[in-house]
Parts: sequence; C-alpha cells; structure tokens
Amino acid sequence: QSALTQPASVSGSPGQSITISCTGTSSDVGGYKYVSWYQQHPGRAPKLMIFDVNNRPSGVSNRFSGSKSGNTASLTISGLQAEDESDYYCSSYTSSSTWVFGGGTKLTVL
Amino acid sequence: QVQLQESGPGLMKPSQTLSLTCTVSGDSISSGSYYWNWIRQTPGKGLEWIGYIYSSGGTYYNPSLRSRLSISVDTSKNQFSLDLRSVTAADTAFYYCARASYWSKNFDSWGQGTLVTVSS
Repeated sequence: QSALTQPASVSGSPGQSITISCTGTSSDVGGYKYVSWYQQHPGRAPKLMIFDVNNRPSGVSNRFSGSKSGNTASLTISGLQAEDESDYYCSSYTSSSTWVFGGGTKLTVL
Repeated sequence: QVQLQESGPGLMKPSQTLSLTCTVSGDSISSGSYYWNWIRQTPGKGLEWIGYIYSSGGTYYNPSLRSRLSISVDTSKNQFSLDLRSVTAADTAFYYCARASYWSKNFDSWGQGTLVTVSS
C-alpha cells in the first residue's frame, strides 16, 4: 500500500487561511468516509483534529475543517495562529482493512 | 479519559525480537468498541500503521510486516503487546500505541511513544 500524497510544506501569515491536500486512490480516500487528520508538534504524539472527513472531536477549534472530493481530501485552517505551526498528517482506512497515512505536511506560520 | 503508555527496550541489536507493551487506563480493552493499534514513525519521517488487535483477540497486520509480526492481548492486565522478529536498522523508529474507533476508524487516543533504536 502506498502512502497518501501530501505537500511537504505550506505556509501562511497569521489570520490567513491555508489548505493541505491529501491524495489517495479509490481504494482508500475515494472509497471511504474514514479520512482523518492529525496534528503533531515536535516531540509529541499525534493529536486527532478531524475524523470522518469533516468532523471535529470535542475541544478542537472550529478553525479546523475538512472536506473531500474524489480521491483527494483537504484540511483547511482558517484564522491562522502561531500555535497552529506544526506537522499535519492525513490518514485513511483502506479496502484491505488497513490504514494508510500521508507523508506529512509542515505548516509554517510566517 | 483513556490513557495509553508504551514500555520496552530503547536499544536493540540486529536480528533480535522487539517486544513492546502498551498499558491502557481509563478504558477496558475488553469493551469491544475499539481496535488497539501499533503505529511507528521513523525519525524525521512519516507514520506507518503496523497492526491492531481487537478485544476478541482477532488481529490484522500491515502486509509489509506480517511475516515478522505478532500482536497479543492480556485483558487481565489491560495491556496489549507487539513482537517484531529479526529487527534491522530499518526498524529504528518511535513506536506508538493508539486506540481506534470501531465505527469511525480514527485514532482518537495515542500513547506518548517510545524510541527504539536498532544498532550493532
């Protein structure tokens, strides 16, 4: 199984919005609603930010939103804040009953 | 609130068997609503799903690791464990245990992770 494709890096200024893409296939992202996004600060474990494409766990800011079109899912962060600077990973359940992750995207807040 | 904590050796030699244990508190592994997973992350690189065990003892493994991997559960201790045989330097990584929702297939709780280094 191949990793999902994410841009290596994105950047934005405080207050702006950014979008991170996550491209897979019809056997994972395109075939299921089970796409999730994780935030990982240096030295810390990943934290669930979005599940089932566009749902936020309790306690996650509504500045974080998710969407999906075909084989590509997206994470949008609006009103960028310095604390959003982190690595972000997407994940999808697959037709093989396994999970696959993206390679990760480093978000820099300028 | 569920908490997960990994334990195991920090340093190993090639060809040995890596054994890690995840101790779960705040939830029962026997509850039946979650998959109990192992995930690893190579330093500076991305995440790789290793495999899971369900409360019934059923397991599912990443095909790339299946020939070397075993995951087991001890419900009396509320722990689950990973055994990875014949390790090489390529198995050097942070290893996380994580809980995945049976219904939403997302990893909603993670351990803090433990670094395993394979070196001669």
